[in-house]
Amino acid sequence: EDQVTQSPEALRLQEGESSSLNCSYTVSGLRGLFWYRQDPGKGPEFLFTLYSAGEEKEKERLKATLTKKESFLHITAPKPEDSATYLCAVQGGGYSGSRLTFGEGTQLTVNP
Amino acid sequence: GAGVSQSPSNKVTEKGKDVELRCDPISGHTALYWYRQRLGQGLEFLIYFQGNSAPDKSGLPSDRFSAERTGESVSTLTIQRTQQEDSAVYLCASSLFVGYTFGSGTRLTVV
Repeated sequence: EDQVTQSPEALRLQEGESSSLNCSYTVSGLRGLFWYRQDPGKGPEFLFTLYSAGEEKEKERLKATLTKKESFLHITAPKPEDSATYLCAVQGGGYSGSRLTFGEGTQLTVNP
Repeated sequence: GAGVSQSPSNKVTEKGKDVELRCDPISGHTALYWYRQRLGQGLEFLIYFQGNSAPDKSGLPSDRFSAERTGESVSTLTIQRTQQEDSAVYLCASSLFVGYTFGSGTRLTVV
């Protein structure tokens, strides 16, 4: 069974204070690891897909990296508008088939 | 359409009533998924459609839950005899290859 664990559960930063969110996973045959952002009352919004260890992707102040056991979402010089819940998910090729298995998320608050 | 559309956006129902939740996926997306998100929790898989067949419905929590899909279009999630523990946001997503696009969800409150 695929499993995803995210840490910390909540993170409070000052504007400009860089940090990282962690996503540890176990999966049978990784097809992709996904990062989503979710704002209150809205559905998750796609950020990144990573397919293999060593891969990195960047978008504005966000950078996602992947190893064989975990992924990090690095936030550089965050702004208050980066406040949201960040979700990590994996798509495996085993029993889970096509479904994504999600972690419980990290709730990020960036104070001005 | 441009995105995944879900309706209604909010639904309040009395315990024991049946409810239907609707999802319009992105045109051309063959795969459609339903997830449930309880307050403060992660996303819980319910069912997956490929076209109008459901190869994985292992996440449906009980026989009160059912879903259908018309071709590669609209899907309906039906919850019969609703219970208070069914209160949650029900999210629909569609996909063509890898990764999903989510709708904004239906917030269901059972009173």
